[in-house]
Amino acid sequence: AQKITQTQPGMFVQEKEAVTLDCTYDTSDPSYGLFWYKQPSSGEMIFLIYQGSYDQQNATEGRYSLNFQKARKSANLVISASQLGDSAMYFCAMREGLRERGFQKLVFGTGTRLLVSP
Amino acid sequence: EPEVTQTPSHQVTQMGQEVILRCVPISNHLYFYWYRQILGQKVEFLVSFYNNEISEKSEIFDDQFSVERPDGSNFTLKIRSTKLEDSAMYFCASSVPLLAGDTDTQYFGPGTRLTVL
Repeated sequence: AQKITQTQPGMFVQEKEAVTLDCTYDTSDPSYGLFWYKQPSSGEMIFLIYQGSYDQQNATEGRYSLNFQKARKSANLVISASQLGDSAMYFCAMREGLRERGFQKLVFGTGTRLLVSP
Repeated sequence: EPEVTQTPSHQVTQMGQEVILRCVPISNHLYFYWYRQILGQKVEFLVSFYNNEISEKSEIFDDQFSVERPDGSNFTLKIRSTKLEDSAMYFCASSVPLLAGDTDTQYFGPGTRLTVL
């Protein structure tokens, strides 16, 4: 069964507009972490934002925010004021279990390709 | 800002040859990982490493793969006898500084693109 589902293979947005990239997850563990990474065409994986399962507030990092709806098991990434440099592949990932146990692998979704047009 | 580095950026090898992919994790991190991404597909976990031993490995990480931390800074992935299907981008990642309260974010290196001919 898919643990992380990203249903949008591609998204288009105009520069300066906001865009939401969807991510749903599946876990029975009460303690988990959700991450978003950006992969530009050059190939590197750039960490964007993190949301812990016990966090009361939605995470924000500059133009990135995470719309965390725990009951729906969704963790959508919102990019405000899109820029041309935001064109990239975006991956949602989940780490299950307590961080104190250490060495938890990340499980990734299939990604969403975002294209920002002028 | 500290970052994970990987060498080489691109490795081309013949089927059956051994390759070693090298990584230098962020210096005060404790946990190290290898992931791979076959072209156009999602990122897949290979192995995690802590305290000089493997802590978890995936089904992909079979006997042809091995990892090592030969000194205090490097972390290597060896593929003993490469196959065509090993062609992929290989990412090293590290996590968990010594300070408490961290999110356990895994920071990725830029990747090594392995091409097996």
